Amino acid sequence: NAGVTQTPKFQVLKTGQSMTLQCAQDMNHEYMSWYRQDPGMGLRLIHYSVGAGITDQGEVPNGYNVSRSTTEDFPLRLLSAAPSQTSVYFCVSGTRRREQYFGPGTRLTVT
Amino acid sequence: AQTVTQSQPEMSVQEAETVTLSCTYDTSESDYYLFWYKQPPSRQMILVIRQEAYKQQNATENRFSVNFQKAAKSFSLKISDSQLGDAAMYFCAYRSDNYTGANSKLTFGKGITLSVRP
Repeated sequence: NAGVTQTPKFQVLKTGQSMTLQCAQDMNHEYMSWYRQDPGMGLRLIHYSVGAGITDQGEVPNGYNVSRSTTEDFPLRLLSAAPSQTSVYFCVSGTRRREQYFGPGTRLTVT
Repeated sequence: AQTVTQSQPEMSVQEAETVTLSCTYDTSESDYYLFWYKQPPSRQMILVIRQEAYKQQNATENRFSVNFQKAAKSFSLKISDSQLGDAAMYFCAYRSDNYTGANSKLTFGKGITLSVRP
């Protein structure tokens, strides 16, 4: 049982490049989400999913896409990276009555 | 919409002493969960303690306990016998028990940085 895994751990992109942050969980959780963490801002929800084939926007969805084709995977796509997307990204999964489980995070820098 | 407020950005405590971290929240719901998460320099988010709103008894986990005041919408974390390893950023978070769509998300405060003096 690996919990929630995220790859890569670190990434540097140039403005305008695209990339996908990977997230996988092996706990059969229906709920998965992506947050970004910025200094002084706490953690803010980007997108979330309540099951395979179902996704929706959070507070700060602009510039990001997600899909949920399987229960296990929930990738986050940056379509055209901007310096404002420099942040630490967390994937989170959980079920209704238990705590949410965090991945180890991805530190992304956009130059 | 729910909000979580942590008004103290930083706190400091002497090793072996007790410190209390404050958190207030705003919600119109009656059923929800509250959490404290610890984030050390490794960046990993670690669940410290959780409280169900329907439980009147305050949650405790070893040296960590909460003071949950539902009417006042207050949820403070008390750390007893502080240790150097407690130095970290601490986040207070809220989640609705109405587990549909956007209500299933966690709403975080901005965090508080706790330092422990040897």
